[in-house]
Amino acid sequence: EPEVTQTPSHQVTQMGQEVILRCVPISNHLYFYWYRQILGQKVEFLVSFYNNEISEKSEIFDDQFSVERPDGSNFTLKIRSTKLEDSAMYFCASSRETDTGELFFGEGSRLTVL
Amino acid sequence: GESVGLHLPTLSVQEGDNSIINCAYSNSASDYFIWYKQESGKGPQFIIDIRSNMDKRQGQRVTVLLNKTVKHLSLQIAATQPGDSAVYFCAETYSGSARQLTFGSGTQLTVLP
Repeated sequence: EPEVTQTPSHQVTQMGQEVILRCVPISNHLYFYWYRQILGQKVEFLVSFYNNEISEKSEIFDDQFSVERPDGSNFTLKIRSTKLEDSAMYFCASSRETDTGELFFGEGSRLTVL
Repeated sequence: GESVGLHLPTLSVQEGDNSIINCAYSNSASDYFIWYKQESGKGPQFIIDIRSNMDKRQGQRVTVLLNKTVKHLSLQIAATQPGDSAVYFCAETYSGSARQLTFGSGTQLTVLP
């Protein structure tokens, strides 16, 4: 069964460092997303991406965040200068269409900022 | 701001019983609702969805009910099994788009043997 894969599963970084989280969405999906979940809190929308550009982004997704689809398979989230409050589980998701709530989530990348 | 929230943080049920998980939403512009299940150490997994032009939708062992009058959503799981133990989130969006889901706080369902 096709699935969304994310790497790394856990990354520890120092405050101020750049981090890149990687995702391989399901191959025939066209819409890609990043969500995050701070420990014990709700899952929060960060950004959606379609046709090589951002479709929507939340207030959380400020200038320190960026996304990229560098090739036909990977979808990355970059955090330029990490802050302590960026510590969270980051979930990548993909969907075939936008007119559906059926997003397929990866298992997440846990980011710990020290 | 407006948000989606859940009534109960935890719910324990006996194996074989039916479970009902509730969700309140406050954004009256929301017209599309989704239930997700999250098992420990995994990402959310889609269960079922419902649009605002419906008040009930059934899947395999699951039913979602929508009451727009009181802005309430529920997920019913029939014959609850140990594998149903997880955190259940409701999520909302509008204009039938999945571009930006707003998730609720989650209910931890524990199935007792």
